[in-house]
Amino acid sequence: EIVMTQSPATLSVSPGERGTLSCRASQSVNSNLAWYQQKPGQAPRLLIHGASTRATGTPARFSGSGSGTEFTLTISSLQSEDFAVYYCQQYEDWPLTFGQGTRLEIK
Amino acid sequence: QVQLVESGGGVVQPGRSLRLSCEASGFTFSSFGMHWVRQAPGKGLEWVALIWYDGSNTHYSEYMKGRFTISRDNSKNTLYLALSSLRDEDTAVYYCARGTTYIDSWGQGTLVTVSS
Repeated sequence: EIVMTQSPATLSVSPGERGTLSCRASQSVNSNLAWYQQKPGQAPRLLIHGASTRATGTPARFSGSGSGTEFTLTISSLQSEDFAVYYCQQYEDWPLTFGQGTRLEIK
Repeated sequence: QVQLVESGGGVVQPGRSLRLSCEASGFTFSSFGMHWVRQAPGKGLEWVALIWYDGSNTHYSEYMKGRFTISRDNSKNTLYLALSSLRDEDTAVYYCARGTTYIDSWGQGTLVTVSS
């Protein structure tokens, strides 16, 4: 199976600053990558699919980039509601696999 | 709007079985693939299984293949997950979710606790 590795495990950023989260695949997933946000006690929410396409309702401050094995989720100016856990997921091949998550916390 | 409501969770002894249900509304259920994803307490997301829109094909995580069975009844707008030979490590919130590859909508989840 394709192993997804996210870094860092925890990212501490001040509100208003930029946050950059990374996701690496153990083999190429082309652009078949999604990003999700999960807040405590809530279900995950789709942010990005196709590596860079924002889902309906995703604010423009969220952007995704990359292809192949290296991907990045960038939040241009962090708002208080953005502090959460973020997961990447590949859908290039079965079984589908998630990264272990990056916790974005307030510095 | 899309609504996915899971039910059937609870406390179950190791080795026993359980069936989870997910009732869908707000969209044409028979046109969409559906997933189950689980999350152990304090842990990350783990994909479990997918069933195609018409039930003609399924995919499973290797860790659950043979013990878990995904199915659907399009006449009832309902998705199922049958869990058997349950183990302590199957304790998790089980989410029903819409999509064939990436997931665009999630239910709120149902908690399954495997404990003697």
